[in-house]
Amino acid sequence: DAGVIQSPRHEVTEMGQEVTLRCKPISGHNSLFWYRQTMMRGLELLIYFNNNVPIDDSGMPEDRFSAKMPNASFSTLKIQPSEPRDSAVYFCASSSTVTERYTFGSGTRLTVV
Amino acid sequence: DQQVKQNSPSLSVQEGRISILNCDYTNSMFDYFLWYKKYPAEGPTFLISISSIKDKNEDGRFTVFLNKSAKHLSLHIVPSQPGDSAVYFCAASGGTDSWGKFQFGAGTQVVVTP
Repeated sequence: DAGVIQSPRHEVTEMGQEVTLRCKPISGHNSLFWYRQTMMRGLELLIYFNNNVPIDDSGMPEDRFSAKMPNASFSTLKIQPSEPRDSAVYFCASSSTVTERYTFGSGTRLTVV
Repeated sequence: DQQVKQNSPSLSVQEGRISILNCDYTNSMFDYFLWYKKYPAEGPTFLISISSIKDKNEDGRFTVFLNKSAKHLSLHIVPSQPGDSAVYFCAASGGTDSWGKFQFGAGTQVVVTP
């Protein structure tokens, strides 16, 4: 099992550009979560999907953020336009109905300059 | 509003000694708690869990204690080893429509010194 796969590992972009982060959950897991990690607030839940359907997006900071899960094996988190305060590490995690424990990806470190 | 708080951003402990990490929460609906461990440039990995029907759970060198009345949990690592140097996150969930929706603390950086 390759685990949760995120790409890219690092992204540096200029303010105003569109950024797309990608995630492939563990096969068979039916829930997917996007988290953002910052020094001040730790891990914050942005949005989560259950069976490809967005269940709760109350953590999405503003309309510049959007997430999709077109199928069970792929999800994207898009920021458009990006701002310097979006700089953080973004983690994707997946879990199954059998356990509430997450398996996290290695994260995408986003730097907006 | 941070519902899960880890008030100690860092902890330094000598190898062989006990590490005690603390976590406080404000939501009385939380009934399931996890600890995750995170190394640099890696995602957090699951360490140990406890549900509110218990007040202690042990797994090898790791023990989690839950004090529901104080809304407090702690993680004990005995004995601490250099490989335990990492950031530790406390996470909690519970309440209506909360399945899988965890609130995380800000993390505690543990450094185990020789």
